[in-house]
Amino acid sequence: DSGVTQTPKHLITATGQRVTLRCSPRSGDLSVYWYQQSLDQGLQFLIQYYNGEERAKGNILERFSAQQFPDLHSELNLSSLELGDSALYFCASSVGEGGYTFGSGTRLTVV
Amino acid sequence: AQSVTQLGSHVSVSEGALVLLRCNYSSSVPPYLFWYVQYPNQGLQLLLKYTSAATLVKGINGFEAEFKKSETSFHLTKPSAHMSDAAEYFCAVRGSGGYQKVTFGTGTKLQVIP
Repeated sequence: DSGVTQTPKHLITATGQRVTLRCSPRSGDLSVYWYQQSLDQGLQFLIQYYNGEERAKGNILERFSAQQFPDLHSELNLSSLELGDSALYFCASSVGEGGYTFGSGTRLTVV
Repeated sequence: AQSVTQLGSHVSVSEGALVLLRCNYSSSVPPYLFWYVQYPNQGLQLLLKYTSAATLVKGINGFEAEFKKSETSFHLTKPSAHMSDAAEYFCAVRGSGGYQKVTFGTGTKLQVIP
């Protein structure tokens, strides 16, 4: 157990739907990062939050949004889902300038 | 901006042989460098990190990496491969200071042949 908790582990949904992925960072970590991992795109950085504020944006689609709440958990919202959104979505957290601690991911399948 | 290039998307070694996974980085500021391992259906796990202290960094599971500024490299090695080392390995870089994000390489899948 890495200390970063992601739910759900698996999600199957239809095209056009909206889903919410949840992440609880490791205790004491203020930064949360979201990554998408797919076979054709590899590991893509989506967005970073630090203590509730957005810090950096990567290749995040307009259909996707995220937020970090006062208790530091974060949610990634994916809407108008397309087949190509099927991927593993990882959350990671960090404190300071060390490496990231990753959660075990949410596998999203859009059918 | 920072980036890393991993040479070889697939590497095969025999059990007991040397493991060498190559990573070259590009960074406009002194970098922090990382190696992560990902086993099937799992998240990424930090193997080791370089944060400007010793240039030879020892990590978990017998892996180590050497930071070579002159070659802009941070190759991952292990003297003797074990079957359990079969996984995908990612090199990553971030700039030192501030809230800079980590940029990952495209990964190298390591196959260990018995």
